Amino acid sequence: AQKVTQAQTEISVVEKEDVTLDCVYETRDTTYYLFWYKQPPSGELVFLIRRNSFDEQNEISGRYSWNFQKSTSSFNFTITASQVVDSAVYFCALSEDTDKLIFGTGTRLQVFP
Amino acid sequence: DTEVTQTPKHLVMGMTNKKSLKCEQHMGHRAMYWYKQKAKKPPELMFVYSYEKLSINESVPSRFSPECPNSSLLNLHLHALQPEDSALYLCASSQVAGELFFGEGSRLTVL
Repeated sequence: AQKVTQAQTEISVVEKEDVTLDCVYETRDTTYYLFWYKQPPSGELVFLIRRNSFDEQNEISGRYSWNFQKSTSSFNFTITASQVVDSAVYFCALSEDTDKLIFGTGTRLQVFP
Repeated sequence: DTEVTQTPKHLVMGMTNKKSLKCEQHMGHRAMYWYKQKAKKPPELMFVYSYEKLSINESVPSRFSPECPNSSLLNLHLHALQPEDSALYLCASSQVAGELFFGEGSRLTVL
């Protein structure tokens, strides 16, 4: 059975701090995909990244970076130099090569000025 | 502006009412989804249509009835709902599995 765990319920930082959101997943499949989504206060979920199980290369996109480690079943997300606009709930998600996307419980990030 | 449009944005209904939520996408995506989200919880998958055919039903009660009239439209028909069904209902579409584009949601209140 697939499962996604985001142990951090809520994180508060001051603007310009770096912050890492943790994600641990469980799956029996060898082919799977990992995702991060952002849900700002407006409510609309926004896709951030997709990673397949065969590609452990870390990825950087502007102030965002992702660290995928199969050895620890983790797919962590780091925001560098956080900004107030980064305040949102962030969901990690897992798909076992199907349209069934399972979300973790989410981490609420609050960035204070 | 979102490319997945949901109507209505807000809906209040009694337990004996019949209503529908509507979703439209113009990105030519092959798959469309309904998710339910309660406050401070993650979205929960309800239904998936792929190429206009129902491909996933997550054991949703029959008082929720999905319909996909064509590749751009997705409806969720509601009948005899319970107060605990009050939630934000999110529609999404995708071409690539897992890369979902979500609408802003329809907030449903059942009295």
